[in-house]
Amino acid sequence: DAGITQSPRHKVTETGTPVTLRCHQTENHRYMYWYRQDPGHGLRLIHYSYGVKDTDKGEVSDGYSVSRSKTEDFLLTLESATSSQTSVYFCAISDRADTDTQYFGPGTRLTVL
Amino acid sequence: GESVGLHLPTLSVQEGDNSIINCAYSNSASDYFIWYKQESGKGPQFIIDIRSNMDKRQGQRVTVLLNKTVKHLSLQIAATQPGDSAVYFCAETRHGNNRLAFGKGNQVVVIP
Repeated sequence: DAGITQSPRHKVTETGTPVTLRCHQTENHRYMYWYRQDPGHGLRLIHYSYGVKDTDKGEVSDGYSVSRSKTEDFLLTLESATSSQTSVYFCAISDRADTDTQYFGPGTRLTVL
Repeated sequence: GESVGLHLPTLSVQEGDNSIINCAYSNSASDYFIWYKQESGKGPQFIIDIRSNMDKRQGQRVTVLLNKTVKHLSLQIAATQPGDSAVYFCAETRHGNNRLAFGKGNQVVVIP
């Protein structure tokens, strides 16, 4: 998984609670991404970061926030989880110095009851 | 790792046969294309990429073909093995764009 870890790997939470997912990379890549994967939708971009403290919204950013205080860590926060945010979340990294290839982490399965 | 149970088009292939997986892309401005493989319970894994100035690129047991005229991409897997059973999806982007656009994917099932 290209030096990418995600934590936790599984989480069950209740509607209305805050949740933070962590992505950690050891590749020193500049770009980091958060996706969600749902049946019938494939991978959809939530937020991405192009450097420390530099982030931007993806196509499904409502209800999510992100932070990147260090090159190696990219946090995804659900301020108040809803059942529609039950999904599998993937982090990806990219160097983009040479190619636009993104490398993915192992994923986090989040269930919101 | 994680994966999602997707109701996807399925290609059943006999072990040892060649597999061909197709992808139609939408953006004529895209100039970089990637194939990913996602095994059950894991994150997407990079297989091979191709730039728009090429028509064909070969890797180990895999070949990607690009037809820009009809905006079509294909992945050929030679001598398919049980370990090739997975979901395969393509992604496209234009250099300088921060985002990849992903296809929905195709399920490949290898029959021993």
